[in-house]
Formats: sequence, structure tokens, C-alpha cells
Amino acid sequence: SAVISQKPSRDICQRGTSLTIQCQVDSQVTMMFWYRQQPGQSLTLIATANQGSEATYESGFVIDKFPISRPNLTFSTLTVSNMSPEDSSIYLCSVEGGFGEQYFGPGTRLTVT
Amino acid sequence: DAKTTQPNSMESNEEEPVHLPCNHSTISGTDYIHWYRQLPSQGPEYVIHGLTSNVNNRMASLAIAEDRKSSTLILHRATLRDAAVYYCILRDITYNQGGKLIFGQGTELSVKP
Repeated sequence: SAVISQKPSRDICQRGTSLTIQCQVDSQVTMMFWYRQQPGQSLTLIATANQGSEATYESGFVIDKFPISRPNLTFSTLTVSNMSPEDSSIYLCSVEGGFGEQYFGPGTRLTVT
Repeated sequence: DAKTTQPNSMESNEEEPVHLPCNHSTISGTDYIHWYRQLPSQGPEYVIHGLTSNVNNRMASLAIAEDRKSSTLILHRATLRDAAVYYCILRDITYNQGGKLIFGQGTELSVKP
């Protein structure tokens, strides 16, 4: 298994600003994923971030709005840019284990006012 | 992406077995069946996965129909801590989908004392 931490755990931000969320894993992993969970909804995949390559974004998500960095095999960041109240969600990162399972971080709860 | 269908909600009594169904009639031969659960205010947690044969681990059992068009997650003795949203997800083992998980709405399980 993998232990994942995220920073910050929660934040309240003003519209028009940006927030960078950090994801740290306790072991080296190739594949990392970023998800969004809007209030009362299921998880939606934002992008896949593999070390050494550009992130792959899902339909409806663009790099200008959600830039992702993956500088090494244990760390990634997701930035939510030019925020609006519609960006209020829980943002989660996950990594893939050795048998195809995924392990999730505790999430970052973002509120945009 | 192959889709799954789950009941929106189920109720169980504490210390009784729980059978959570999932239909996946369009499953392909390269899809693994994954189950995750999300406890309140936490990130999703891996439960179990399988391809064709029934699987057991310390958390649960997974029963897969012979035609693979449905599966059932079995919690042998529900506890109050098992109250969560349970997600049944198909995941392509060939990585054509990049290893990503596509979450549906899941089944919200409540456990009564």
C-alpha cells in the first residue's frame, strides 16, 4: 500500500485567485491521478500525471485552469487557477499500487467565496 | 468506458451480511472489476478487485457471475464503520484507458445498530 498526504487539508479562497495543492507519496510511483469531487457528487478524474511527461487531461479540463507539475516520483501539485465559486470542491490525488489498485489521499476541501 | 449500474442506497443491520450488487453488462474481456468505498469525509479506499474468479480478502469477498455481466461485493458481518458509499468500477487491464478509474454514483450503505 501507499500512504498519501495532501496540503492544505482545506482552504477558503477568494474568487480570481489561485491555489496550489500538494500531493506527497511515501514511495516512488509512476502513475498519479487528480480527481475532483463536487458537493454531494461522485469523483471526476481531472488528469493523469506521469513523471517525465505532460499531464493528460480529461474532457472538460484544461491545462490553463488546472496546471499540474510532477517533478519526481513521489510528488505532484495541482493548481486551481482564477477560481470561481463553481470550483468549490474536494480535490484528491491518488497513486497506483502494484496490482492495479489505487490509493487515495485524504483530499483538499476548497471553498471559493 | 464500460459502465456499471448500482442501487443508489441500501440498508443493513449491524453484524449481518451485506450483498452489494453491480451490473456491468457491457464489460469487455480486458476489464477488471474493482470495488472502492468512501467513508464520510475521507478519500476512497480500495476494497477488492477481480477478473473472473471469486476473490476474498480481509475486508470483503467478491463474487463474479460466470458471464461476468454482474458481480456482488459481500461484507460478511457489517459494522457501523462499514457505512460508506461503495463504488463498483471497471478498469481496463491493458492500460488503453491509461489505468484511470471512472467513478459512477455508487451505493450508499447505511448500517443500523
